[in-house]
Amino acid sequence: AQSVTQLDSHVSVSEGTPVLLRCNYSSSYSPSLFWYVQHPNKGLQLLLKYTSAATLVKGINGFEAEFKKSETSFHLTKPSAHMSDAAEYFCVVSVRDLRGADGLTFGKGTHLIIQP
Amino acid sequence: DADVTQTPRNRITKTGKRIMLECSQTKGHDRMYWYRQDPGLGLRLIYYSFDVKDINKGEISDGYSVSRQAQAKFSLSLESAIPNQTALYFCATSGPIAGANEQFFGPGTRLTVL
Repeated sequence: AQSVTQLDSHVSVSEGTPVLLRCNYSSSYSPSLFWYVQHPNKGLQLLLKYTSAATLVKGINGFEAEFKKSETSFHLTKPSAHMSDAAEYFCVVSVRDLRGADGLTFGKGTHLIIQP
Repeated sequence: DADVTQTPRNRITKTGKRIMLECSQTKGHDRMYWYRQDPGLGLRLIYYSFDVKDINKGEISDGYSVSRQAQAKFSLSLESAIPNQTALYFCATSGPIAGANEQFFGPGTRLTVL
């Protein structure tokens, strides 16, 4: 079984300041981890993914995340927030089962608000 | 052109009506999925399919059925829609490459059941 906990339902930062969105996971197997972003009235776009290679993962739009196995965390960061970053962010854990199905488990989402 | 398309994008219907949501993909992936999104709950898996003859229930399959008409097409049906099926529905695909189990999502279908 696997689960994801996004520790903050809402995060508000000022434009130009750092962003930190927190995610903890649990998984019985070596997971793949993802961050997806959903802008208002849009579908889901992949920001970045961890698949057991480098623990620091760089994604699109200046985002990055660090996989910390000892802390079972996969927090998303960005050094400087931009107004266009305002969106809903989902942390996702995935384990491919014996049949090859990709069982995605989504966190409940973090709404990122950017203050001008 | 988008790799994963969904039709319709928006639908309003009445309780008891039969509704079909369609998904098509040009990515050549064998795996296809249907999710629903409700505010504050993230996405939850309804059904998934490995190929035309392999359909599996997800976390919340009650009240839904699916059809995999071809490798590229996967439809979701609500046989008798009810108001608590009002949600945003997403189709997704993934390929068989080991270790790269990223899913690619369609733009979503917003369904309202009155």
